[in-house]
Amino acid sequence: SQQGEEDPQALSIQEGENATMNCSYKTSINNLQWYRQNSGRGLVHLILIRSNEREKHSGRLRVTLDTSKKSSSLLITASRAADTASYFCASSGGSNYKLTFGKGTLLTVNP
Amino acid sequence: GAVVSQHPSWVICKSGTSVKIECRSLDFQATTMFWYRQFPKQSLMLMATSNEGSKATYEQGVEKDKFLINHASLTLSTLTVTSAHPEDSSFYICSARGSVGPGANVLTFGAGSRLTVL
Repeated sequence: SQQGEEDPQALSIQEGENATMNCSYKTSINNLQWYRQNSGRGLVHLILIRSNEREKHSGRLRVTLDTSKKSSSLLITASRAADTASYFCASSGGSNYKLTFGKGTLLTVNP
Repeated sequence: GAVVSQHPSWVICKSGTSVKIECRSLDFQATTMFWYRQFPKQSLMLMATSNEGSKATYEQGVEKDKFLINHASLTLSTLTVTSAHPEDSSFYICSARGSVGPGANVLTFGAGSRLTVL
């Protein structure tokens, strides 16, 4: 079932600016992951944050997790035109690796 | 790293025909595979979970007789869309998880298969 909500649904920025995307979920989780999808293509795993972590970094990516608010954010710093894609959060509540995806944010980075 | 291959990457068929999509783990044994459907500009919706050697578990609202899933080996799962209709046109994506090796305890996604039913 679909439970994640992301905002904004679409985000358009200039190259070099930072992009922030938010995600909310409804049930308790073991971890939350962020994926990237170029138009009509498969998913690329970006980063995973566990329920006992509050912040995680990977290159230009910064993810936060607030389990009290059941929300997460993905920050992409110094954006590039190549970052243009849809970004999805996906929550996992058990050990069976079953993911529930959010609705996604379409990010457009203008050169 | 773990690699999952989907085939075909795109297929066009006539209404009423059946289409089979394959999902293969190339360098690991996939104990569990997941099948998702994604309509244009929407998110991924989990259709079913398949474990090697057992029947697939379908999500609520997904017709098991229409979307036949077979996970007969540790490296291959197939999704057959039976008697396809235009409303079945969608992007179908699989993911796989292994228990040992490069695919262990991570989900690896295939590149997806775009189905268009005329």
